[in-house]
This record gives sequence, C-alpha cells and structure tokens, in this order.
Amino acid sequence: AQSVTQLGSHVSVSEGALVLLRCNYSSSVPPYLFWYVQYPNQGLQLLLKYTSAATLVKGINGFEAEFKKSETSFHLTKPSAHMSDAAEYFCAVSDPGYQKVTFGTGTKLQVIP
Amino acid sequence: DAGVTQSPTHLIKTRGQQVTLRCSPKSGHDTVSWYQQALGQGPQFIFQYYEEEERQRGNFPDRFSGHQYPNYSSELNVNALLLGDSALYLCASSLFGTAGAQTQYFGPGTRLTVL
Repeated sequence: AQSVTQLGSHVSVSEGALVLLRCNYSSSVPPYLFWYVQYPNQGLQLLLKYTSAATLVKGINGFEAEFKKSETSFHLTKPSAHMSDAAEYFCAVSDPGYQKVTFGTGTKLQVIP
Repeated sequence: DAGVTQSPTHLIKTRGQQVTLRCSPKSGHDTVSWYQQALGQGPQFIFQYYEEEERQRGNFPDRFSGHQYPNYSSELNVNALLLGDSALYLCASSLFGTAGAQTQYFGPGTRLTVL
C-alpha cells in the first residue's frame, strides 16, 4: 500500500519568505508523486508532478519540489511567498500501474503580510 | 476547452435518502475517478471508471455505486445516506494508459450535506 505523510497541518510564513511544505511517502514500487493546491470552496489544482524523470520538478506559480529517494521525501518549496499562495496544499502518491491517487491530510499555508 | 464539470454544486439531503452526482470529464479524457473529501481531510478514493466499467475501488461500502456512459461522463450514486456521508465529492478525469501521465484533473466538487 502507498501512503504519504505531510508534516505540519498548518504553516505560517511572512510575505516574501521561503515556503517549505514537507511530504514523506511510502511505496513498495517507484512512485509517481504530486502536489495539488486547493483554494477555499474549490477543487484541486495540480502544481507539479514527479514521474521518474528529473528529480527536481518545477511547477506552476514558482513552486518546485525535489524527489529524494534516500529520504523518501518530496518537499514543496517556493523562494518567496505571495499573499495569493495562501491555500491548502496536498501531497499525493500514485502507483505507475494504476491511476488511484492517495492523498495526504493536507497543509494549510498562511501568508502573513 | 472545458475542464472537468460537476453538478450540482451543492445538495442537501436527509438521512436514508439517495443521491446522484454527475461529472463530465475534460475533453479528450476517458477515465473518471471519484473522491470523497470530508471537512479538514484529504480526498479519499472511492472508485474509478474506464470503458464503462469500475476498474478500481477504494474502501467504501456498496452503498456507493457509479456508472460511466459512452460519452465518458459519470455518475456517483449513494444510497441510504448517513450523516457521515456529508462531504465534498470530487470528480477527476484522466487519460487511461498514457505513458508517464497518471495526471488527474479535478472538478470543483459537489458539496453534499446530510441532515
């Protein structure tokens, strides 16, 4: 079975500061990994995905994530937070043989002016 | 190009009733997956439809059933509603078997409230 663990249900950063959202995964096979963002009362939007190509993945809105197999991690970063980044972020994992996606419990990002 | 659409946006039902939620996939997609997102939780996989058949199922009771039509649109049916079924129901579409893809595109969801 695959799973992801998101460390920190709430993260607060100042506007302009580094954003770091942590995700660790568990998978018996090489995983596909994703970060999604959810704004209030909306569906999920894909930020970026890792599918066994480059370990550093760049996504939309200036976000990026690095796949580290030795640490079973896929942390999400952004150099400078904007107010518009305030949302809930979900890390997710998928077995390449299937399309079932298993989500973490989410991290709410607050950006302080 | 329309993305994934879901209807209705909101729905209020009482315990014991039945509900049907609808989803139209993104243009060009042939696979539909359904997720339940309870308040404060991450989405939980319910099931996936491809070629009008249920291909995978998560840990949900038989009260949850679905259907996919030849035009790839899909329905989620929930019978004998319980208070615990109150949640945001998300539909996601994708293209089955695309090499290296596995990318699911989500609709805005249907908010179901069971009283």
